[in-house]
Amino acid sequence: DAGVIQSPRHEVTEMGQEVTLRCKPISGHNSLFWYRQTMMRGLELLIYFNNNVPIDDSGMPEDRFSAKMPNASFSTLKIQPSEPRDSAVYFCASRTGSGNTIYFGEGSWLTVV
Amino acid sequence: TQLLEQSPQFLSIQEGENLTVYCNSSSVFSSLQWYRQEPGEGPVLLVTVVTGGEVKKLKRLTFQFGDARKDSSLHITAAQPGDTGLYLCAGGAGYSTLTFGKGTMLLVSP
Repeated sequence: DAGVIQSPRHEVTEMGQEVTLRCKPISGHNSLFWYRQTMMRGLELLIYFNNNVPIDDSGMPEDRFSAKMPNASFSTLKIQPSEPRDSAVYFCASRTGSGNTIYFGEGSWLTVV
Repeated sequence: TQLLEQSPQFLSIQEGENLTVYCNSSSVFSSLQWYRQEPGEGPVLLVTVVTGGEVKKLKRLTFQFGDARKDSSLHITAAQPGDTGLYLCAGGAGYSTLTFGKGTMLLVSP
């Protein structure tokens, strides 16, 4: 079975450019999470969706970050404009409504120069 | 904000040695999970503990949840190079979101 699928795997972009990260959760999972991982801060929750509805976006750093989940099989995380401090690995993860196991994608490695 | 402190941050050992890593918090969690993350990949769940004092074993890995459900430990017996990775603990206060520690980076050399 396919796991959580993220794209792109790697992206290098210039400061000020728009970045869009994409995620396809595991089929049948109705909770979706976006995390950011850095050496300094570890793994931080950015936003959490349940049944396509954002439940907790308190981790979104600032207005430059936005996330959408238009349907159960697709989500995007957008950064506009990007800044060097946004450089990190961004993980998407999904979970069934009743389960306690979160399944992570392989991550999108973002470098903003 | 619930915080999880993991120690040590880094651990480099030889194959065959035993080791213990720790996960501590001042908060009580309803459940605690351990994940292993290998380079270039996302974290993968190893175990979930939910009862204070609970001990779970996964081959050479032994996980313990503290009696007060504020801390946990992971003990690895006879470590192997394949155990190399970042070990993350994550605490849950219900079934909504998890709080992750920063992890212990383990390197096991042949």
